[in-house]
Amino acid sequence: QSVLTQPPSASGTPGQRVTMSCSGSSSNIGNNYVFWYHQLPGTAPKLLIYKNDQRPSGVPDRFSGSKSGTSASLAISGLRSEDEADYYCATWDDILRGRVFGGGTKLTVL
Amino acid sequence: EVQVVESGGGLVKPGGSLRLSCSASGFTFSSYFFNWVRQAPGEGLEWVSSIGPTGTIMYYADSVKGRFTISRDNAKDSLYLQMDSLRAEDTAVYYCAREDQYQGFDHWGQGTPVTVSS
Repeated sequence: QSVLTQPPSASGTPGQRVTMSCSGSSSNIGNNYVFWYHQLPGTAPKLLIYKNDQRPSGVPDRFSGSKSGTSASLAISGLRSEDEADYYCATWDDILRGRVFGGGTKLTVL
Repeated sequence: EVQVVESGGGLVKPGGSLRLSCSASGFTFSSYFFNWVRQAPGEGLEWVSSIGPTGTIMYYADSVKGRFTISRDNAKDSLYLQMDSLRAEDTAVYYCAREDQYQGFDHWGQGTPVTVSS
């Protein structure tokens, strides 16, 4: 069972806006930066969002992150078929003294 | 171009040992934290271990503490994971990931599969 809680699935149609959540506690999300990674089928994960809401170069501005208290969210606007992937949130946990990942949300583009 | 390439995965019996390697290129290896992250078949990502730039700082997930040892050789631009007392639940693809101070895990290898089975 993951320290960070993500819904197992999300879906949307092309062009739609979808959001996915990541819930934690004061020892992890509440006190540390949140990162988001996505993983296309059969490939290695890739960085999508860092420091809660920052996009690495090359990541389209359709992707946005936010954090409030002990929760974080990832939003994808203008949904495309190539966005179909697994999405993971991650942060540091002050009590566990290690990195923690959410269980992942599988995004389906209908 | 930044590259990280894992190797050393394979089939091992329960209770056995395996040593994974991660070779890096295209950047100053000794300036970065590095991590091992694993993914069991059909499951999500699980952080395994981290090591600081000089090798003096190390962190481990509770699930591997006392059985796995992370290390690095900055002269060889290489990261290692010594895995002892392996269990069936250690079966996974193991990824090596560079950690940028600000951007998190910004570069990942392609992964190396480890299967623990009799």
